[in-house]
Amino acid sequence: GAVVSQHPSRVICKSGTSVKIECRSLDFQATTMFWYRQFPKQSLMLMATSNEGSKATYEQGVEKDKFLINHASLTLSTLTVTSAHPEDSSFYICSARKLRGKSNQPQHFGDGTRLSIL
Amino acid sequence: SQQGEEDPQALSIQEGENATMNCSYKTSINNLQWYRQNSGRGLVHLILIRSNEREKHSGRLRVTLDTSKKSSSLLITASRAADTASYFCATDWSQAGTALIFGKGTTLSVSS
Repeated sequence: GAVVSQHPSRVICKSGTSVKIECRSLDFQATTMFWYRQFPKQSLMLMATSNEGSKATYEQGVEKDKFLINHASLTLSTLTVTSAHPEDSSFYICSARKLRGKSNQPQHFGDGTRLSIL
Repeated sequence: SQQGEEDPQALSIQEGENATMNCSYKTSINNLQWYRQNSGRGLVHLILIRSNEREKHSGRLRVTLDTSKKSSSLLITASRAADTASYFCATDWSQAGTALIFGKGTTLSVSS
């Protein structure tokens, strides 16, 4: 089956550090990837939609200069949390669709990255 | 913004019992999906039901969809301790295949 790999699984770093999270589709090409954020005991909230070869689309309230997204290839999207602060501590999860513009396809999720900013 | 609400928020049952979770949503949808999340992990896709379907089965899972009431239910039969997890419904409202919108989830605990 389709597999999405997310790395790293856990990051602990000091305030002010920038952190890069990678999301890879291992056995399929993903023209669209999604980045979600999840606080403890809460649901997933969409942060942005990452499209290969074009700028990401950010949800309202998500700072694009704070959360930099790059989708340079059909199998890789990266999320960089710039100058991270304790309030950025959260669980970040990516997902990918196999085909652009196709509905009725499940999304495949990475295992998430637990980000802790001290 | 979140689309739906699941209820109950938390459910505790014994092994062998059935577990039913409900999900309501607000807008028209293309399909509705159920996902499972073990603590601290990513999501695993369980089942997808299209807007023109009313019921779907997959193993011990049974999903229903009532578009007139904008609601869905997930039934897990003969539950096992390994079913302990959080369950989320997610709606796909666009034909263009955009991001999913998740409900708040139900936390299921199955004790042996």
